[in-house]
Amino acid sequence: ELKVEQNPLFLSMQEGKNYTIYCNYSTTSDRLYWYRQDPGKSLESLFVLLSNGAVKQEGRLMASLDTKARLSTLHITAAVHDLSATYFCAVLPGSYSGAGSYQLTFGKGTKLSVIP
Amino acid sequence: DTGVSQNPRHKITKRGQNVTFRCDPISEHNRLYWYRQTLGQGPEFLTYFQNEAQLEKSRLLSDRFSAERPKGSFSTLEIQRTEQGDSAMYLCASSPQLLAGANNEQFFGPGTRLTVL
Repeated sequence: ELKVEQNPLFLSMQEGKNYTIYCNYSTTSDRLYWYRQDPGKSLESLFVLLSNGAVKQEGRLMASLDTKARLSTLHITAAVHDLSATYFCAVLPGSYSGAGSYQLTFGKGTKLSVIP
Repeated sequence: DTGVSQNPRHKITKRGQNVTFRCDPISEHNRLYWYRQTLGQGPEFLTYFQNEAQLEKSRLLSDRFSAERPKGSFSTLEIQRTEQGDSAMYLCASSPQLLAGANNEQFFGPGTRLTVL
């Protein structure tokens, strides 16, 4: 059974600081997704990472994937209050280029609070 | 609006009643997924359709749950004899058919929040 673990689960950080959220998963995969969720809202897609060494950046967020270590990171640079939300990583088992499941398995989420 | 839509957005029901939710995927997305999210947790997969065929079901989908996608467009999720433990946000997502080089990104709807009293 695929397990996805995120840490930390709660993160309180000051504006302007940097931090990294970690996502570990337990089975072979080269398909990893990061989503953002605001309270009471649905999930907004942030990044799609499809190969070992993939790196994507959007604004103050940068995501990377190491399929050999089964690890993805979401790095926050110079945090601002608008980034306060819950961030989820999610994994599809199997290979991007071949057959695999379509069941996304999510981590428990990292609740980020950015304090002025 | 070309995103995934879900109705109703909120549903309050009494224990033992049946409820039905609807999901309209993004046009031309032939894959449709249902997830359930409880407070403080990540979404959990329930089931997935490719066109009208239900191809995967989670063990979370008990006999009281049934999902359909009769014409390969919208989908319904029915819960019979609701229990308080069914209270959750029910999320629908859709994606285009996986082609070589496609990323199978799933796009989520706004969800239906179910409260069972």
